[in-house]
Amino acid sequence: GEDVEQSLFLSVREGDSSVINCTYTDSSSTYLYWYKQEPGAGLQLLTYIFSNMDMKQDQRLTVLLNKKDKHLSLRIADTQTGDSAIYFCAESPNFNKFYFGSGTKLNVKP
Amino acid sequence: DVKVTQSSRYLVKRTGEKVFLECVQDMDHENMFWYRQDPGLGLRLIYFSYDVKMKEKGDIPEGYSVSREKKERFSLILESASTNQTSMYLCASTPSNGRSPLHFGNGTRLTVT
Repeated sequence: GEDVEQSLFLSVREGDSSVINCTYTDSSSTYLYWYKQEPGAGLQLLTYIFSNMDMKQDQRLTVLLNKKDKHLSLRIADTQTGDSAIYFCAESPNFNKFYFGSGTKLNVKP
Repeated sequence: DVKVTQSSRYLVKRTGEKVFLECVQDMDHENMFWYRQDPGLGLRLIYFSYDVKMKEKGDIPEGYSVSREKKERFSLILESASTNQTSMYLCASTPSNGRSPLHFGNGTRLTVT
């Protein structure tokens, strides 16, 4: 499969911004996704970005895409304790293929 | 909202048993997937199906088989469970339009003793 890389852990204080980074390898990926997984649960779609966009904002979430560097980031503004979870980025080069990173565990300290 | 339902949240099975994990989706999606999730390894694709009775191997199909007799249901079968198949199993579905994300079930945590 394709290589999607994420750092494993991130720790922030409540109220700060969190930035989770991801690099991917398939430049033909049409869509890139961010999923959130809370303990004991499946993956919940947070947001996605189409490959012809540089940025997408959705309330506290901002996704930045640098296609040249194949770099995707998710910024969470005013991070809350309820944001503590594992965050996965995923790329999709075609309708049958989705490649996931290992997930970044976000710990929000009160 | 799309609903993907996995029949069991937790399962404990013995080595050598045949194990069935069931998944049902209610949105008429053509594509269905089985992943396993292990710490530090992310999600690895076991099998996927793009239509009834159609299946394709993913990255780690060894020790698994699947069945898709009806569009809404995709079953993962462990023919003879082994301890290295202890894992979280996630089912997902998506339509075949190439523009939609995966929708996941809540997962089945399988322990093989």
